[in-house]
Amino acid sequence: AQSVTQLGSHVSVSEGALVLLRCNYSSSVPPYLFWYVQYPNQGLQLLLKYTSAATLVKGINGFEAEFKKSETSFHLTKPSAHMSDAAEYFCAVSAVNRDDKIIFGKGTRLHILP
Amino acid sequence: DAGVIQSPRHEVTEMGQEVTLRCKPISGHDYLFWYRQTMMRGLELLIYFNNNVPIDDSGMPEDRFSAKMPNASFSTLKIQPSEPRDSAVYFCASSPDTYTEAFFGQGTRLTVV
Repeated sequence: AQSVTQLGSHVSVSEGALVLLRCNYSSSVPPYLFWYVQYPNQGLQLLLKYTSAATLVKGINGFEAEFKKSETSFHLTKPSAHMSDAAEYFCAVSAVNRDDKIIFGKGTRLHILP
Repeated sequence: DAGVIQSPRHEVTEMGQEVTLRCKPISGHDYLFWYRQTMMRGLELLIYFNNNVPIDDSGMPEDRFSAKMPNASFSTLKIQPSEPRDSAVYFCASSPDTYTEAFFGQGTRLTVV
């Protein structure tokens, strides 16, 4: 079974500052890991995903995440925050076994301070 | 493809009424998921289907909730009777499998008064 924990339900950063959203996972088999973003009144959309290729994954809008097996982490970063990054971010995990469902974290709301 | 299509986008109903939410997945996707999102509980998986067959409905909160997928291009989530605590945003998502990305619809915002 898999699980995912997002540290911090709310994170505030100043515009132009580093964004770091934390995600730790638990999986008994090699995981697939995802970050999704949800803007107000919209569904979730994929930012990036890790599927056992390169450990540093680049996504849309300048975001990237690094898979660290030793730390069971998949933190999301962006070097310089923009006001348009204000949204809710979800980390998710699944596995290679068929019918293993995608498990989402509880989400982190990112606030950008002017 | 137009993506996952949900209807209606907004639904306001009175307590005790039946509510039906609809979803059209992306063509060719074998998996369909129904989620509920609230401030208190976050994003909860209610049920998911593989090739129109329900695989895991352990997230369905009560017998008042039921979901069907009569064919590959249509699914419904029904609440009967509805209660104010069912107020939430309900999302449908589809995926070619469970280990690549899920594509979400825009959601249905349900308000039960």
